[in-house]
Amino acid sequence: ETGVTQSPTHLIKTRGQQVTLRCSSQSGHNTVSWYQQALGQGPQFIFQYYREEENGRGNFPPRFSGLQFPNYSSELNVNALELDDSALYLCASSLYRSSTDTQYFGPGTRLTVL
Amino acid sequence: GQQVMQIPQYQHVQEGEDFTTYCNSSTTLSNIQWYKQRPGGHPVFLIQLVKSGEVKKQKRLTFQFGEAKKNSSLHITATQTTDVGTYFCAGRKSSSNTGKLIFGQGTTLQVKP
Repeated sequence: ETGVTQSPTHLIKTRGQQVTLRCSSQSGHNTVSWYQQALGQGPQFIFQYYREEENGRGNFPPRFSGLQFPNYSSELNVNALELDDSALYLCASSLYRSSTDTQYFGPGTRLTVL
Repeated sequence: GQQVMQIPQYQHVQEGEDFTTYCNSSTTLSNIQWYKQRPGGHPVFLIQLVKSGEVKKQKRLTFQFGEAKKNSSLHITATQTTDVGTYFCAGRKSSSNTGKLIFGQGTTLQVKP
């Protein structure tokens, strides 16, 4: 076990709604990255948070936003949900912001948009 | 944009046979990480390779990083049913100052007992 936790484990929403996913990083880690994994695909980088600021963003629209809190936990918010947002959302925690830090993934939140 | 390609997409082997998955990047990577994801699970970190030409072993698993730091491979000797899952490589661009990992599409391994 990595010590990275995510909530909720599963979520069903309808198109147009908003959703907030939560992640608690591993003890001692100060960086959280969020990924979207569609069925049968590899995880796609959404963004990373370091010291409560966004540090890098993937090819996702602005309706995907996030926060990091002083205790390094993080939230991913998605507005105006679309059917294609159905996926497994993974957060990964790591120590510091370097090119060789290892990212440890949480169990993920399975989001279904109807 | 940068792409990380992984082949094959699927591999079915008889228990005891060897297995290899290959990862190729369109750009030079600063490092590459390998993950294993069991069905219904999440990616679990296996190893990180940083140096050009690096080879690392974990029991029956051998990981290689190419000399040009643009390709990598994972080889499993004498597969077991516990090796079933999807293996992902994930790389970082050399010029990146973020933790962004670019994942390959993964290779799904099935092992017949």
